[in-house]
Amino acid sequence: KAGVTQTPRYLIKTRGQQVTLSCSPISGHRSVSWYQQTPGQGLQFLFEYFSETQRNKGNFPGRFSGRQFSNSRSEMNVSTLELGDSALYLCASSLGGLAGGDEQYFGPGTRLTVT
Amino acid sequence: AQKITQTQPGMFVQEKEAVTLDCTYDTSDPSYGLFWYKQPSSGEMIFLIYQGSYDQQNATEGRYSLNFQKARKSANLVISASQLGDSAMYFCAMRGLSSASKIIFGSGTRLSIRP
Repeated sequence: KAGVTQTPRYLIKTRGQQVTLSCSPISGHRSVSWYQQTPGQGLQFLFEYFSETQRNKGNFPGRFSGRQFSNSRSEMNVSTLELGDSALYLCASSLGGLAGGDEQYFGPGTRLTVT
Repeated sequence: AQKITQTQPGMFVQEKEAVTLDCTYDTSDPSYGLFWYKQPSSGEMIFLIYQGSYDQQNATEGRYSLNFQKARKSANLVISASQLGDSAMYFCAMRGLSSASKIIFGSGTRLSIRP
């Protein structure tokens, strides 16, 4: 079974630009979550999508948005990039159940550098 | 509010020794799940073990076991017979079992195994 894939793996953008990251979950998984990882702030939850609906949202500004398609693939978009948005963006997929350990499987991440 | 605390930023352990990574948590959710993840230098997060708050027994997965003490709100990860490949960052995480709750991660512990 194929794992979670994220594209692109590396990205360099300039301040003020926007970026779209893509995540393809494991087949059969309906939940996709996004995280931002930086040395200073650690791993922070961005949002979770389940069956094309945003189910949870972290404390990030509106410049960060996402969506999920009918095939469970998800994209996240960051508009008006700032230097502080430089980070590793991780996507994780899971079956989406709330009872018991709905373990998440992570992709390799997209490393975004904003200059 | 939910909070995860990992007080050991870094640890050095001799190969083949057992190691305990500390994790304490705070939550107002009556039901919750606790997770441990491993992040090698490659960046990908690898799920290790899960403990539900109502599980009577401590979770075990191969060389990994979770020392769950609910009254103390601690969920320490124990790795038996450590191997060189165990060198990585380890994250403790928690999720309340309700649709409105979010997954939060601790700051991580960098484990280094000495040959």
